[in-house]
Amino acid sequence: DIVMTQTPLSSPVTLGQPASISCRSSQSLVHSDGNTYLSWFQQRPGQPPRLLIYKVSNRISGVPDRFSGSGAGTDFTLKISRVEAEDVGVYYCMQATHFPPLTFGGGTKVEIK
Amino acid sequence: VRLVESGGGLVQPGGSLRLSCAASGFTFTNYWMHWVRQTPQKGLVWVSRITTDGSGGSGTLYADSVKGRFTISRDNAKNTLYLQMNSLRAEDTAVYYCARDNYGPDNWGPGTLVTVSS
Repeated sequence: DIVMTQTPLSSPVTLGQPASISCRSSQSLVHSDGNTYLSWFQQRPGQPPRLLIYKVSNRISGVPDRFSGSGAGTDFTLKISRVEAEDVGVYYCMQATHFPPLTFGGGTKVEIK
Repeated sequence: VRLVESGGGLVQPGGSLRLSCAASGFTFTNYWMHWVRQTPQKGLVWVSRITTDGSGGSGTLYADSVKGRFTISRDNAKNTLYLQMNSLRAEDTAVYYCARDNYGPDNWGPGTLVTVSS
């Protein structure tokens, strides 16, 4: 199974400052169809995960443009350009390229300093 | 899109539970569906996936940890997804989410808690 490793485990951020989360996969996530099925989810306390970004860099409708995804191969990044209070939660990366199974990163907690 | 799980609860080891997921707000028959579970210790773990009708060799797929014990199914006439869980173990204790598939889970229900304990 593909192992997804996220860093850091926790990211204390000042409001209005940027945050960056790294996700590394144990194998390349480039699918035979040429796509890279790497997604990012946000989970606020007490809520289910919410899809933010799919196929590395495509934002879901309604997701603020301060969220952006980038990367290729085995290294991926989620960036929040200016953290707001509503961004507090745990962020997960997930790969669907080498399905089954889907595999998720261990999560990165974004909190306000 | 609305997904609502039900059927969770407390069950003894070796027991059974059937989870349901009622879907609305989209054409259920057009989408594959997943079950994913979450614990503080292991995080998010994929459990199972079913295609639009569940037929064929890969119509249903399972994580190794639940293969042979859990069965995923769906009733497209009722817009409902199911997870039959047998021979439950303490390590199956988790919040179980159903999720719609769109290159991976794109919409999730609020989850239902399953606790396996004597």
